[in-house]
Amino acid sequence: DGGITQSPKYLFRKEGQNVTLSCEQNLNHDAMYWYRQDPGQGLRLIYYSQIVNDFQKGDIAEGYSVSREKKESFPLTVTSAQKNPTAFYLCASSASIYGGYTFGSGTRLTVV
Amino acid sequence: AQSVTQPDIHITVSEGASLELRCNYSYGATPYLFWYVQSPGQGLQLLLKYFSGDTLVQGIKGFEAEFKRSQSSFNLRKPSVHWSDAAEYFCAVGTINDYKLSFGAGTTVTVRA
Repeated sequence: DGGITQSPKYLFRKEGQNVTLSCEQNLNHDAMYWYRQDPGQGLRLIYYSQIVNDFQKGDIAEGYSVSREKKESFPLTVTSAQKNPTAFYLCASSASIYGGYTFGSGTRLTVV
Repeated sequence: AQSVTQPDIHITVSEGASLELRCNYSYGATPYLFWYVQSPGQGLQLLLKYFSGDTLVQGIKGFEAEFKRSQSSFNLRKPSVHWSDAAEYFCAVGTINDYKLSFGAGTTVTVRA
């Protein structure tokens, strides 16, 4: 079945370390997105990519980086520059605005 | 830029009662509107969407939503809730100009027996 796979589901890291969250889709969608979810704040856009080898900053890109070398993959790196990285991270993809997004099941990152 | 407001942070409803979740959007042209549901610790699932045409749209799990341009609203309804409807619900708005969706802060629904 087609879908989006995020791994790992839970991730623990020490403060000051970079960490990379994986997102893979087999839906043949062109666009992919990373959102951060905090209680009471909804979903905030970190980065998005509409085509391979191109991506744009979202509303809260500081302290994060991405790459889009393959259509299927859009990994997110949380760097040590991100002041408060503990959160639930959601990856999504879309073929067009008409279909909305398909979401992965998320990665909960805890920095200690 | 488009934006979404969900006025209710938390709603408690009895099982079998009706449910209505409010969503107001801000966008100058015709928006593309979506409702998503999220169970704890999970991703979001699309319930329904509106682009044009009939302003009353039907979705999965017995949900429906009505687009009212005059009120800039897209409220979600269900005639009779089940305990499994307890979740967080998000309204989102997009435009034809780009692929991005803007999400509301969400409404948490608690269902009491």
